[in-house]
Amino acid sequence: DTGVSQDPRHKITKRGQNVTFRCDPISEHNRLYWYRQTLGQGPEFLTYFQNEAQLEKSRLLSDRFSAERPKGSFSTLEIQRTEQGDSAMYLCASSLEWDTSGNTIYFGEGSWLTVV
Amino acid sequence: QKEVEQNSGPLSVPEGAIASLNCTYSDRVSQSFFWYRQYSGKSPELIMSIYSNGDKEDGRFTAQLNKASQYVSLLIRDSQPSDSATYLCAVNDGGTSYGKLTFGQGTILTVHP
Repeated sequence: DTGVSQDPRHKITKRGQNVTFRCDPISEHNRLYWYRQTLGQGPEFLTYFQNEAQLEKSRLLSDRFSAERPKGSFSTLEIQRTEQGDSAMYLCASSLEWDTSGNTIYFGEGSWLTVV
Repeated sequence: QKEVEQNSGPLSVPEGAIASLNCTYSDRVSQSFFWYRQYSGKSPELIMSIYSNGDKEDGRFTAQLNKASQYVSLLIRDSQPSDSATYLCAVNDGGTSYGKLTFGQGTILTVHP
């Protein structure tokens, strides 16, 4: 499988626990993005990496959220002290380059988080 | 705050009809516009992109862009039950050189036989 891979696909956690999601982008892609999508809403941009550098963070990414991309390959998104409002699907996407066609960005299948 | 608004749904059309989906955006510097289809529990799938004023056709899909009115639409001709999904409008900030997309809230389309 050469697509964007996310793990775990589903996670149920108790409020206050920490969770970590992993994203493996398409191997040659140097750009990686995290989005969050809640029920009934479109995805919202969280953060962007180019190689290992985190170049943009949304204000949605509170201090309980941290994303890393060591060595510019896979990325992790950690949520500390989870709250019920964190329940959402966390989407990872990657691209090699960007152009107006939009054909260069590929989304993973998402990681569903339920905080109980 | 850059905003993308889609016509409220859900939208229900009979099989074979034309489905019309609309989207407005607030940021005049937006340059690229996209329509994604998302089946329940799945990730978004790009179906159309457009960045010039006018119409762009791809099979049964036609995207229309009017930058002066800050309006983009998607027409689906000969709608099929398999077209039933949530349709997401997204825009890319012309000031960015990467895939930062602002999405609308989505419109649920149901095509009934």
